Amino acid sequence: GENVEQHPSTLSVQEGDSAVIKCTYSDSASNYFPWYKQELGKRPQLIIDIRSNVGEKKDQRIAVTLNKTAKHFSLHITETQPEDSAVYFCAASKPPGSARQLTFGSGTQLTVLP
Amino acid sequence: ETGVTQSPTHLIKTRGQQVTLRCSSQSGHNTVSWYQQALGQGPQFIFQYYREEENGRGNFPPRFSGLQFPNYSSELNVNALELDDSALYLCASRLGGARETQYFGPGTRLLVL
Repeated sequence: GENVEQHPSTLSVQEGDSAVIKCTYSDSASNYFPWYKQELGKRPQLIIDIRSNVGEKKDQRIAVTLNKTAKHFSLHITETQPEDSAVYFCAASKPPGSARQLTFGSGTQLTVLP
Repeated sequence: ETGVTQSPTHLIKTRGQQVTLRCSSQSGHNTVSWYQQALGQGPQFIFQYYREEENGRGNFPPRFSGLQFPNYSSELNVNALELDDSALYLCASRLGGARETQYFGPGTRLLVL
């Protein structure tokens, strides 16, 4: 089955700096890659996603890049703010016809220092 | 907020008991998945229901079972609870078909003593 590895497990940055979180996946059939932000005691919230027919996607301060050949994708947060502090999870899923289960990485605790 | 709700928010059970967790999907979403999130880990896929039938299961034993109802609400049942079942249980709904985006509920925190 699919295996998603995520690095780093913890990341501390100064407010205003950029943060990068990287994930690799094992199943070349995976074609959908969402990123979720989970604050303490709350639900995972989708912040951005990318499909395998696209190499990069941006939404204001957040961007995701995908390298299908290398089977890795990354989350980039620019101009970080204290409210960006949370656990971030990457995930991967396969096309319709399967259960479309999300396989998650192990998470990155991002701390933005004021 | 996603429009996905879960109940109860917290639950304490003892080993060997049975538990039922409930999820109300976002309106129009005919597909629901359940995930188990142990402390400090990413969510793990338990199973998915589409139009009231299970159509995918992760690496969980048969004592984890579910139901989906015509109004797209769903249940997760766990029999013979074990200490390791202590976790946050999340349901996620989506429109189904080719639409991938899953919207999570707030979760039920289960503690097994």
